[in-house]
Amino acid sequence: EAQVTQNPRYLITVTGKKLTVTCSQNMNHEYMSWYRQDPGLGLRQIYYSMNVEVTDKGDVPEGYKVSRKEKRNFPLILESPSPNQTSLYFCASRRGEGIQYFGAGTRLSVL
Amino acid sequence: DAKTTQPNSMESNEEEPVHLPCNHSTISGTDYIHWYRQLPSQGPEYVIHGLTSNVNNRMASLAIAEDRKSSTLILHRATLRDAAVYYCILRDRRDNYGQNFVFGPGTRLSVLP
Repeated sequence: EAQVTQNPRYLITVTGKKLTVTCSQNMNHEYMSWYRQDPGLGLRQIYYSMNVEVTDKGDVPEGYKVSRKEKRNFPLILESPSPNQTSLYFCASRRGEGIQYFGAGTRLSVL
Repeated sequence: DAKTTQPNSMESNEEEPVHLPCNHSTISGTDYIHWYRQLPSQGPEYVIHGLTSNVNNRMASLAIAEDRKSSTLILHRATLRDAAVYYCILRDRRDNYGQNFVFGPGTRLSVLP
């Protein structure tokens, strides 16, 4: 079954404590992305990757890091989380202009 | 700037057709128009995409204006399960590789029984 798997689904943390949200896809897709969703703002792209070792910024990259060392994995790293990064995060993957598959989401609260 | 404009909300009766409009006057010649929807408490899911010609799939139809500055997503018979936020999406080519997808606030579709 085609899947994008994010972990954890829910996370509560404190300001400044580094965290990583993992994302994995089983479809051998080249493209992977991270989005955040906030009320009234829709989804905004944080970072994307076109393939292993190729990443670029989206609309809201400040405060986030990503890496793409393997094709199937695209972790999102918050080195020093702040309360304004409290949000719902989605990982997605696709092939070319094709269908983008989204994960179930990670709800993050930074206290 | 890849901007789309959609109505905030629309309402439909069950089993009637729904036409969801989207304006994208700044679309470039090679950009596909993508539609996704998000059901409550779920991640977005693909609906349809197209470039110039009208497109059909098992979920919906996409009608694209001849000048490509607008498009309409057509659900032929709305069901209660179609109640969702529908997003019309373009790519923003200001980034290095042209892969930044821009979601607007979308249209919240309510389906009445």
